[in-house]
Amino acid sequence: GAGVSQSPRYKVAKRGQDVALRCDPISGHVSLFWYQQALGQGPEFLTYFQNEAQLDKSGLPSDRFFAERPEGSVSTLKIQRTQQEDSAVYLCASSLGGSFLVMYFGPGTRLTVL
Amino acid sequence: AQTVTQSQPEMSVQEAETVTLSCTYDTSENNYYLFWYKQPPSRQMILVIRQEAYKQQNATENRFSVNFQKAAKSFSLKISDSQLGDTAMYFCAFMKPNTGNQFYFGTGTSLTVIP
Repeated sequence: GAGVSQSPRYKVAKRGQDVALRCDPISGHVSLFWYQQALGQGPEFLTYFQNEAQLDKSGLPSDRFFAERPEGSVSTLKIQRTQQEDSAVYLCASSLGGSFLVMYFGPGTRLTVL
Repeated sequence: AQTVTQSQPEMSVQEAETVTLSCTYDTSENNYYLFWYKQPPSRQMILVIRQEAYKQQNATENRFSVNFQKAAKSFSLKISDSQLGDTAMYFCAFMKPNTGNQFYFGTGTSLTVIP
């Protein structure tokens, strides 16, 4: 595709529900990142993949958060037993990797937990 | 840990005028990269400009330029001839290579260009 796409764009969940957020990176991009952006804040790092390998998950706030990229392309961020503090915009970004450092961001998924 | 500070939550500028957005960062690293990203109301973040710390020359991209002061750990963005389409949130970001290319973002500056 022309850019990074994310779905759904908006998600409303009741507290305690599980959600799955999808990211389609730019074709051929090796690196994929997930960021969480709370209202009025800058994006905060959650996790990083190089191809299918999750090389850094230090930013995941709890064990309720899980991310995967099984075939090295599409990635899914799953949040189990959602809490109100999980409400945020979840941004996905991809890059060619290596020495090419520019990240391309998707439009984000706005998650609201009621 | 690296921190990025943007001390101007909101700014405004008249169309065609020049505006400067401030950014400071804290790191003990010598080799790193700095970026300015733009996030319009549609929320898709777009790279505006980047600077390699080992380069003394300030980066420029058309109407956008930076003033990179490595000793002061300052990285400001200057927008010349401001246009209505420049209205957006602007985020300063720091990245140390070879660590998973993790970016650290500031809290952003909301820029409004006034017609």
